[in-house]
Amino acid sequence: GENVEQHPSTLSVQEGDSAVIKCTYSDSASNYFPWYKQELGKGPQLIIDIRSNVGEKKDQRIAVTLNKTAKHFSLHITETQPEDSAVYFCAASISGQNFVFGPGTRLSVLP
Amino acid sequence: DAGITQSPRHKVTETGTPVTLRCHQTENHRYMYWYRQDPGHGLRLIHYSYGVKDTDKGEVSDGYSVSRSKTEDFLLTLESATSSQTSVYFCAISEAQQETQYFGPGTRLLVL
Repeated sequence: GENVEQHPSTLSVQEGDSAVIKCTYSDSASNYFPWYKQELGKGPQLIIDIRSNVGEKKDQRIAVTLNKTAKHFSLHITETQPEDSAVYFCAASISGQNFVFGPGTRLSVLP
Repeated sequence: DAGITQSPRHKVTETGTPVTLRCHQTENHRYMYWYRQDPGHGLRLIHYSYGVKDTDKGEVSDGYSVSRSKTEDFLLTLESATSSQTSVYFCAISEAQQETQYFGPGTRLLVL
């Protein structure tokens, strides 16, 4: 079945630096890739998403890039702030079905 | 949380007892989902619904059942809770399959 790998599992950066989280997927028919941010004690919240007909999407300090040939997509956060500290999940759609989520990345932004 | 509520938010129960978790939405979305979240596993789909009385199994459906008698409500039942079902349960909704899913605040369940 579809598998989504996510790396790294933990990431610590200094405030103001950039953070990059990478996910790989196995289903070549996957065409929708959302990213979620989960703060402690809360449900995941969508922060950005990308569809397979686009290579890059940006929203202020957050960007997502997609390489369909290599079957990987990445989340980029620039000028990180302490409030960016959270667990981030990627997901990939499965053809004719739902989503498969990656195991998550715990990002810590150190002041 | 996109008009999604879950109840109860916390529950402690004993092995062998039945448990029902409720998800309520005010967005009139067609699809509703139940996930469990465990350390190291991310979010795993238990069951989902694509309309009133229309449900299907997900990746980890054993030991769980669901019902959807109204568009706005999706119930998850553990017929006889086991310690392995201790987890955080999230409900999600979407307008269509493979469209953006919006998550509720979660229910933390402890089975002793």
